[in-house]
Amino acid sequence: KAGVTQTPRYLIKTRGQQVTLSCSPISGHRSVSWYQQTPGQGLQFLFEYFSETQRNKGNFPGRFSGRQFSNSRSEMNVSTLELGDSALYLCASSLTGESGSPLHFGNGTRLTVT
Amino acid sequence: QKEVEQDPGPLSVPEGAIVSLNCTYSNSAFQYFMWYRQYSRKGPELLMYTYSSGNKEDGRFTAQVDKSSKYISLFIRDSQPSDSATYLCAMDEPGRRALTFGSGTRLQVQP
Repeated sequence: KAGVTQTPRYLIKTRGQQVTLSCSPISGHRSVSWYQQTPGQGLQFLFEYFSETQRNKGNFPGRFSGRQFSNSRSEMNVSTLELGDSALYLCASSLTGESGSPLHFGNGTRLTVT
Repeated sequence: QKEVEQDPGPLSVPEGAIVSLNCTYSNSAFQYFMWYRQYSRKGPELLMYTYSSGNKEDGRFTAQVDKSSKYISLFIRDSQPSDSATYLCAMDEPGRRALTFGSGTRLQVQP
């Protein structure tokens, strides 16, 4: 079974621009979560989607948004990029997304904001 | 104070050593406890999963949860150079559906 696929692997953007990251979950997984990983803050939860509905959102500004499509694929968008948005963005999928459900992570998209 | 505390290391051990990695937490609602391993330039990979208190063993890995002390551990026996990675503890509570991670401990196993 193919794992979680994230595209692109690397992105360089300028402050003020917006960016869209893509995630394809493991086949059959209906829940997709997004996490931000930085050296200073570690891994932080962004949001979780199940059947195209956002069920939970972390403590991030409204510039961070996401969506899930009917085939469970997901995208996240960051608008008006700031230098502090430079991070590794990780997508994870699980069968149900319920608490305690094991998450399977992709290898992430490395975003650099200059 | 962070909900989950983890010593960042680095922790350097000789090949064959027993490694002990630990996390403490403050949220008594946490019921699900996991350990992930992350190699450089890769995403985290689930190693161990424990529900509530107790021990779980899988090959060279043993996970322990002590909810009374709010303390979890991961033991690696007969450590190998291929175990060199960052180890992250993660926790969740019922209904939250969002993992809270420790900051990760970088482990180096010297051949």
